[in-house]
This record gives sequence, structure tokens and C-alpha cells, in this order.
Amino acid sequence: GENVEQHPSTLSVQEGDSAVIKCTYSDSASNYFPWYKQELGKRPQLIIDIRSNVGEKKDQRIAVTLNKTAKHFSLHITETQPEDSAVYFCAALNFGNEKLTFGTGTRLTIIP
Amino acid sequence: DGGITQSPKYLFRKEGQNVTLSCEQNLNHDAMYWYRQDPGQGLRLIYYSQIVNDFQKGDIAEGYSVSREKKESFPLTVTSAQKNPTAFYLCASSPIQDRYGYTFGSGTRLTVV
Repeated sequence: GENVEQHPSTLSVQEGDSAVIKCTYSDSASNYFPWYKQELGKRPQLIIDIRSNVGEKKDQRIAVTLNKTAKHFSLHITETQPEDSAVYFCAALNFGNEKLTFGTGTRLTIIP
Repeated sequence: DGGITQSPKYLFRKEGQNVTLSCEQNLNHDAMYWYRQDPGQGLRLIYYSQIVNDFQKGDIAEGYSVSREKKESFPLTVTSAQKNPTAFYLCASSPIQDRYGYTFGSGTRLTVV
């Protein structure tokens, strides 16, 4: 089955700087890669996703890049703000496999 | 609650008791999922269902049971066989045709006392 590894597990960034979180996946047939943000005690919320036919996608301060050859994808947050502090999860989906496989999460702390 | 409701928000269980966590959605989604979340371990899949009266085990199904008698409902029972049930439980749903639309409930925090 699919295995998703996520690094780092914790990340502290000065407000205004950029943050990068990286994930690798094992199943070369995976074709959909969402990122979720989870604030303390709350549900994960989808913040951005990318499909395997695209190399990069941006939404304001958030971007995701995908390298299918290397089987890794990354989340980039620019101009970080205190409200970006949360746990971020990557995930991978092979539509034939029916279910998302999640990474172990990255706790991002923005230092004012 | 974004179309998917979990109850209760907090649940306390004595050792040896079974407890049932509720998950209801009004999104007309075919697929529903139960995940367990522990600190530092991300989201691990317990069970999932793609159609009424059918469900499949996920990665950590031991000590849990589910039913899917209605499209809208996917309750999870944590049995006494689950040795370490204290965790945060998340229910999710998605359409079958478009699995991009994963929606999560707000979670149930289960504590064994």
C-alpha cells in the first residue's frame, strides 16, 4: 500500500519568513495530493491540492510543487503570519486504492 | 458543521465498556471514513465504506466495529478489545466519483477513565 513520509515534524519560522514542508510517497500510481491544516482541537481543513498532471499550483501565499519522478511534493507558505501556526498534513491518493494516506504531520509555529 | 456532524465532542469510557461514536453527513457523499489521531502519528485509517451495507478494514481496525445501514450515517463502536482507545477520532466523507472532496467532521475526543 501507499506510504507517505512527511518532514520536518516541527518547524518554527519567524513571522514574515517562508516555511517549507516536504512529503514523499511510495506508490507511483498516486495521482492526487492534498494538504490539510489542522488547528488545535479542530478538524483538518483542505488548504490546497495538486493533481499529478500539474507540477505547481499557487493560491495567494500558499503553493504546492510536485515532482512525480522523485515522488515528492512540498508545501510552501510565504510571508508567514501568526494565524499560519497549526499542524499541516500532506496526503496521497491513488484513485484505484479508494482512500487517502496521510503523512504524520508538521507542527508549524510562527514566531512573532 | 460543514455538512458532517460528529457527536459527542467529548466522551469518557470506563475500561471494559463499549462506546459508539456517531457520524452523520448531509452531503450526499457515498464514501465515509473513520480515522484515529494520536500525537505525532498523523491520521490512521480505521474503517471505510463506499456503499450502504458494505465496509472495509483500514490499517488499524482491531478493536473497532462499524455499520453502514444508511448512506448518511457511519457509526464507530470502540469495543473493550481495543486496548488503548484514548485518542481523537475523526470521521470524513467524500463522493465516489470525485474523491477530491474529502470533508472532515469536528472530531470526538475519547478518554478512558
